[in-house]
Amino acid sequence: DGGITQSPKYLFRKEGQNVTLSCEQNLNHDAMYWYRQDPGQGLRLIYYSQIVNDFQKGDIAEGYSVSREKKESFPLTVTSAQKNPTAFYLCASSGGEADTQYFGPGTRLTVL
Amino acid sequence: GDSVTQMEGPVTLSEEAFLTINCTYTATGYPSLFWYVQYPGEGLQLLLKATKADDKGSNKGFEATYRKETTSFHLEKGSVQVSDSAVYFCALSEWGATNKLIFGTGTLLAVQP
Repeated sequence: DGGITQSPKYLFRKEGQNVTLSCEQNLNHDAMYWYRQDPGQGLRLIYYSQIVNDFQKGDIAEGYSVSREKKESFPLTVTSAQKNPTAFYLCASSGGEADTQYFGPGTRLTVL
Repeated sequence: GDSVTQMEGPVTLSEEAFLTINCTYTATGYPSLFWYVQYPGEGLQLLLKATKADDKGSNKGFEATYRKETTSFHLEKGSVQVSDSAVYFCALSEWGATNKLIFGTGTLLAVQP
């Protein structure tokens, strides 16, 4: 089955620790995206990558970092510099229909 | 910059009622428009899309028409079911190379039996 997987589904970390969220896709899509969702709000773009070994900041990149070493993988690191990291994180990808993004199931991060 | 405004929820309906969720947008160029649906604790699923003016997107009984003259993309369904209860997001894809999605704040739909 083709799709996007995110792991883990729930993640708990202590304040001050870095944490890395996984995103893998087997859709052969070139572009991948990370969004943050807070209660009662829309999604906000953190980082995106349109091709391997290249990525750009989105609207709320401060306190986050990414890498794109492989086409199928786009991990997101939430660093200790992120002031309010508790949120629901969604990964997406797009391919042949470049304007259409498909989403993974999300990771809920709680910082204690 | 580009933006999407959708009606605030929650929208509470009885089963088999008619549904409308309003969405208007502000954009430069010729964006594509989307409706996504999110069930509790899950990611977003693409519900339907339209890529140019007067296009109608449809899926699972839901419809939306790209109205450039009113900059709107309202979601409609003739007869809702309890299983349609979810949060619905209107979004546009920015015109140009980045294809960034701009989302509305979401509308919670609750359908009662």
